Amino acid sequence: SFVVTQPPSVSVAPGKTARITCGGNNIGSKSVHWYQQKPGQAPVLVIYYDGDRPSRIPERFSGSNSGNTATLAISRVEAGDEADYYCQVWDSGSDHVLFGGGTKLTVL
Amino acid sequence: DVQLLESGGGLVQPGGSLRLSCAASGFTFSSSALTWVRQAPGKGLEWVSLISGSGGSTYYADSVKGRFTISRDNSKNMLSLQMNSLRAEDTAVYYCTKAVYSGSWHLDYWGQGTLVTVSS
Repeated sequence: SFVVTQPPSVSVAPGKTARITCGGNNIGSKSVHWYQQKPGQAPVLVIYYDGDRPSRIPERFSGSNSGNTATLAISRVEAGDEADYYCQVWDSGSDHVLFGGGTKLTVL
Repeated sequence: DVQLLESGGGLVQPGGSLRLSCAASGFTFSSSALTWVRQAPGKGLEWVSLISGSGGSTYYADSVKGRFTISRDNSKNMLSLQMNSLRAEDTAVYYCTKAVYSGSWHLDYWGQGTLVTVSS
């Protein structure tokens, strides 16, 4: 079945741009969705269909997807962005929702 | 506002059963697919099951197929997960989510979760 991979951790200085990747075989042919989870809280959808953003999510969050890599970008990073981020796809071949292993974003 | 409130979690012995519920409000329940997603302590998210708005289509992760049953009562705006033959590895926080489909499923609203602990 389809496998989705994420780096375990990413670090970024405040005010810079963080990029979190999500890899998979020709993942560009699938729609990728991203979730933010802060400690002790439920996940929150931050990007859907590769690059669409729910109205409650700041414009600093954006997404792209091409080839074998999808990317979540967070510009002008703030301390409050520190969280775990998960990518997710729907594998129509197996009728399964698949999550990446998650990436811990640390703001230095 | 969309609200999803899980209940039914607790401590259960290996081999036992437990039934989780999720009370929903703030959206057209019978038109919306729903899922269960779990998270073991200190681990990542794992999708468990999905049910269509009518309840006529259901999907399961391989790890729970044959042991767990998802269902819904559209007259009560309630989602359920019947969990049988529970194992230690089923220990997790279980989240109820609303799901949206347009060529791909994404999970636009999540509940706060209910903790299931399988231990003797």
